[in-house]
Amino acid sequence: EMKLVESGGGLAKPGGSLRLSCVASGFDFNTYNMNWVRQAPGKGLEWVASISGTSFYSYYTDSVKGRFTISRDNAKNSLYLQMTGLRVEDTAVYYCARVIGYYGSGSPFYFDHWGQGALVTVSS
Amino acid sequence: SYDLTQPPSVSLSPGQTARIPCSGDALAKQYASWYQQKPGQAPLLIVFKDNQRPSGIPERFSGSSSGTIATLTISGVQAEDEADYYCQSLDNSGDLVLFGGGTKLTV
Repeated sequence: EMKLVESGGGLAKPGGSLRLSCVASGFDFNTYNMNWVRQAPGKGLEWVASISGTSFYSYYTDSVKGRFTISRDNAKNSLYLQMTGLRVEDTAVYYCARVIGYYGSGSPFYFDHWGQGALVTVSS
Repeated sequence: SYDLTQPPSVSLSPGQTARIPCSGDALAKQYASWYQQKPGQAPLLIVFKDNQRPSGIPERFSGSSSGTIATLTISGVQAEDEADYYCQSLDNSGDLVLFGGGTKLTV
């Protein structure tokens, strides 16, 4: 059975840091692009970051560039999101999600499996 | 604001057909996917590559796309279909992920 399990959420002060982890099981982790998607309380889904299977490339939404870093350890079947310079508006449930497809014009690209989410609260 | 636009809400009676549009320039060249999210749960993929349905998703869920508009159709909505629905695609360059703002379906 395929599973994604996030951990590392919690309370942080503005300007602080947190590191989210996502442990994958039930599939060949290193062959899939992985992403973080977040959802602020009562709001819609927002894509945060993406990393390729070999870590060759990574992409970020503009609002987190320079503050968040996505990484992975294929030997541990793990995905990470290092968050620094946290802001109140980063408060959200953060989901890790597996991607089917690839970047590019006209390419299929969709999230076929999601974790249960980790809550990050940024407040003074 | 979102690069993919959805109506905030749709309200129907059981048995009616729901059509939820998602509009955006990127949809002219990129595939659309759709996700269902119920309160307190993670999103669930229900349509991918415009009109493909994952195994286990009921046949009443279908997708289509024409030009810059993708549409999720739920034929004969049931009470259990009450949820938020999100469309998703890539941007025109194919580098960034886009989500629509979501549509709350009330049955």
